[in-house]
Amino acid sequence: DVKVTQSSRYLVKRTGEKVFLECVQDMDHENMFWYRQDPGLGLRLIYFSYDVKMKEKGDIPEGYSVSREKKERFSLILESASTNQTSMYLCASSQGYNQPQHFGDGTRLSIL
Amino acid sequence: GQNIDQPTEMTATEGAIVQINCTYQTSGFNGLFWYQQHAGEAPTFLSYNVLDGLEEKGRFSSFLSRSKGYSYLLLKELQMKDSASYLCAAMEGLTGGGNKLTFGTGTQLKVEL
Repeated sequence: DVKVTQSSRYLVKRTGEKVFLECVQDMDHENMFWYRQDPGLGLRLIYFSYDVKMKEKGDIPEGYSVSREKKERFSLILESASTNQTSMYLCASSQGYNQPQHFGDGTRLSIL
Repeated sequence: GQNIDQPTEMTATEGAIVQINCTYQTSGFNGLFWYQQHAGEAPTFLSYNVLDGLEEKGRFSSFLSRSKGYSYLLLKELQMKDSASYLCAAMEGLTGGGNKLTFGTGTQLKVEL
């Protein structure tokens, strides 16, 4: 079974802090994704990566950046956290674009 | 870009059949996924359709009509554990290569006795 592991289930940070969310997958998948999920808005794509050191903007990249230095790890960075970034963050990976995405358990991030 | 529409909530009875509809408007459509998400858990993959027609997988089936921009997920012999949110997601081909998924807001299904 594919395992996608997110470093924290719950995280509380303060406005203006730099926040790192880590995601690791163990199936040598090429593609990795970061989403946020908010009530009434569903899952929205922030950034994705189809190879090491490669990154593409999703639908809502503002206020975020990403890093993929190794194939198995994809990090989401909130450069200066703001309260409107309070959300559930989900990481996913897939072998190919027409293959199912496998999700981690999510990180519920609260910015105070 | 893409626009995905699906009902917000549905209620059905244990043992019955329920159909969850999804309509999409898209450029560069490359297929449609259905995911199940229980409260507080990660979404899990249910089905993928890229050609017109019905794909059956046990109690779950998924249908796609590309010409109508329409899909549905059919759940048979409903069980209480099927109470969850069902997410429709359309795949869009990107001009620079690759694909990305756009998700609907999900249909919250409640199964009652």
